[in-house]
Amino acid sequence: DVKVTQSSRYLVKRTGEKVFLECVQDMDHENMFWYRQDPGLGLRLIYFSYDVKMKEKGDIPEGYSVSREKKERFSLILESASTNQTSMYLCASRGLAGNTDTQYFGPGTRLTVL
Amino acid sequence: GESVGLHLPTLSVQEGDNSIINCAYSNSASDYFIWYKQESGKGPQFIIDIRSNMDKRQGQRVTVLLNKTVKHLSLQIAATQPGDSAVYFCAESTSGNTPLVFGKGTRLSVIA
Repeated sequence: DVKVTQSSRYLVKRTGEKVFLECVQDMDHENMFWYRQDPGLGLRLIYFSYDVKMKEKGDIPEGYSVSREKKERFSLILESASTNQTSMYLCASRGLAGNTDTQYFGPGTRLTVL
Repeated sequence: GESVGLHLPTLSVQEGDNSIINCAYSNSASDYFIWYKQESGKGPQFIIDIRSNMDKRQGQRVTVLLNKTVKHLSLQIAATQPGDSAVYFCAESTSGNTPLVFGKGTRLSVIA
């Protein structure tokens, strides 16, 4: 079974803090993604990565950065957390399984910024 | 529990009945489609997928139908159970590494 794990299920931070959200996948997938999910707005893509040290901006990259130093790990960084970054953050990885390129999600991190 | 989306289309079905959840997609070049189930407070869970060279694919209690002519995808759940209550998302992609495009979701409520 594919496993995508996220470092925390719940996180509370203060405005201005630097926040690291870690994601690890164990299926040797090339592609990894970070989304945020907010009521009424659905899943929104923040950043994604096709390979180690590669990153691409998604739909809402402002206020975020990412790091992919190893294939299995994709980190999302909030340089200076703000209250409007309170959200559910979902990591996903995607790779070939048979003839499909299935994407699997982690359990999510509920981040609250006070 | 937490709501994953407000003002989502909602489908209420009686326990034991069949459920049909629909999704329209816009990109005629999309060739791969996935259905996800998301329970409150959890990440989306892969249910079933289908490639554009197929019209129908069956899994355990679930069937996905693809109509490329009208760009429509549906998920059928047989003998719906209380544990099926969740938000269901469809997603589409084109070949290569383009990110998935997700629908807004439908909330399925099962009445015991």
